[in-house]
Amino acid sequence: NAGVTQTPKFQVLKTGQSMTLQCAQDMNHNSMYWYRQDPGMGLRLIYYSASEGTTDKGEVPNGYNVSRLNKREFSLRLESAAPSQTSVYFCASSEGAGTYYEQYFGPGTRLTVT
Amino acid sequence: GENVEQHPSTLSVQEGDSAVIKCTYSDSASNYFPWYKQELGKRPQLIIDIRSNVGEKKDQRIAVTLNKTAKHFSLHITETQPEDSAVYFCAASIGNTDKLIFGTGTRLQVFP
Repeated sequence: NAGVTQTPKFQVLKTGQSMTLQCAQDMNHNSMYWYRQDPGMGLRLIYYSASEGTTDKGEVPNGYNVSRLNKREFSLRLESAAPSQTSVYFCASSEGAGTYYEQYFGPGTRLTVT
Repeated sequence: GENVEQHPSTLSVQEGDSAVIKCTYSDSASNYFPWYKQELGKRPQLIIDIRSNVGEKKDQRIAVTLNKTAKHFSLHITETQPEDSAVYFCAASIGNTDKLIFGTGTRLQVFP
């Protein structure tokens, strides 16, 4: 099992450019998440998906869109990148609400917007 | 909204000493409290978690305690080793969901 995978690992964008961060999991998990991590601010939830076809906003959704393509894949799109979106982005997955909540994280994407 | 406060932000200990990291949360409906360890440049990984129906849980040198009345939970690491050096994050569930609110992290340094 690869667990949670993310592409790309690194990306540099100019202000106003768009891009999509890809995430996939092979653990048959129902729930998937996108976080951003900034120095001194911990992990903040951007968007959440409880199942295929459903998405929900987290703490910091502005400037982002998501798509839960199927059970395995959850993508994050920046339509018009801004320097404030420079961050490390982590995707995570978990079995779903119920008796077991552990979230498994991907390796992260380091994004710089100039 | 929901909030998790974590202290201290940095902690330096001598190898073999104990380390304690404390968190408080605001959502009285939170029922799941995990702790994650993140080494430099790596992904966060779960090290221990506790549910609201339990007051304490131990796994070798790591223990977590929960006080639901005070909305407070703590991570205790005994006999610290240099490989314990990392950033540690606490988190609390948003109510009875599988969404989490994370604390801002504690950078633990263990000196040989």
